[in-house]
Amino acid sequence: AQSVAQPEDQVNVAEGNPLTVKCTYSVSGNPYLFWYVQYPNRGLQFLLKYITGDNLVKGSYGFEAEFNKSQTSFHLKKPSALVSDSALYFCAVRRGGTTDSWGKFQFGAGTQVVVTP
Amino acid sequence: DTGVSQDPRHKITKRGQNVTFRCDPISEHNRLYWYRQTLGQGPEFLTYFQNEAQLEKSRLLSDRFSAERPKGSFSTLEIQRTEQGDSAMYLCASSGKGVTEAFFGQGTRLTVV
Repeated sequence: AQSVAQPEDQVNVAEGNPLTVKCTYSVSGNPYLFWYVQYPNRGLQFLLKYITGDNLVKGSYGFEAEFNKSQTSFHLKKPSALVSDSALYFCAVRRGGTTDSWGKFQFGAGTQVVVTP
Repeated sequence: DTGVSQDPRHKITKRGQNVTFRCDPISEHNRLYWYRQTLGQGPEFLTYFQNEAQLEKSRLLSDRFSAERPKGSFSTLEIQRTEQGDSAMYLCASSGKGVTEAFFGQGTRLTVV
């Protein structure tokens, strides 16, 4: 079984300050990990992914995420938050390995990010 | 290529009616996913296809829900005898061979009155 936990319903940060959104996961085998962002009444927009290799991955709009295998975590970070980063963020996991084993994406419940001017 | 397309964007229906939604994936993508999302929650898996084969269906999914992808291109999701609890955003996503992430459409918002 796959599961994703996002322990914070909401994260509040002042513009210009660093932003961190937490995610822990559970999956059999090697994980493929993803972050998505959702703006009101819109679909999910892909931000970044970890498949293999360097534990620090960089994505769109200045976001990055750090994969920690021992802690089964994949926290999303941005060094300097913008008001326009205010949105709903979802962490997702799927099984890694060969294409036939990939299966579905399992999403967390989401974290609302509020960036104040 | 304009991404994943869903139609309609909004649907209001009376309880007990049947509804059908359509999803057109990115053209070269062979995998197609359906998710349901209620306000403030994460997407809940419904089903997914690889080409025309339906590989997995959520055990939580009522038998009132059915999905098809007849030629491995577009897909339809039908809900029979709608209930108020079916009110949600229905999201479609696709991914291709060697493409690990999924790309989502804008969703279809269903309201059952």
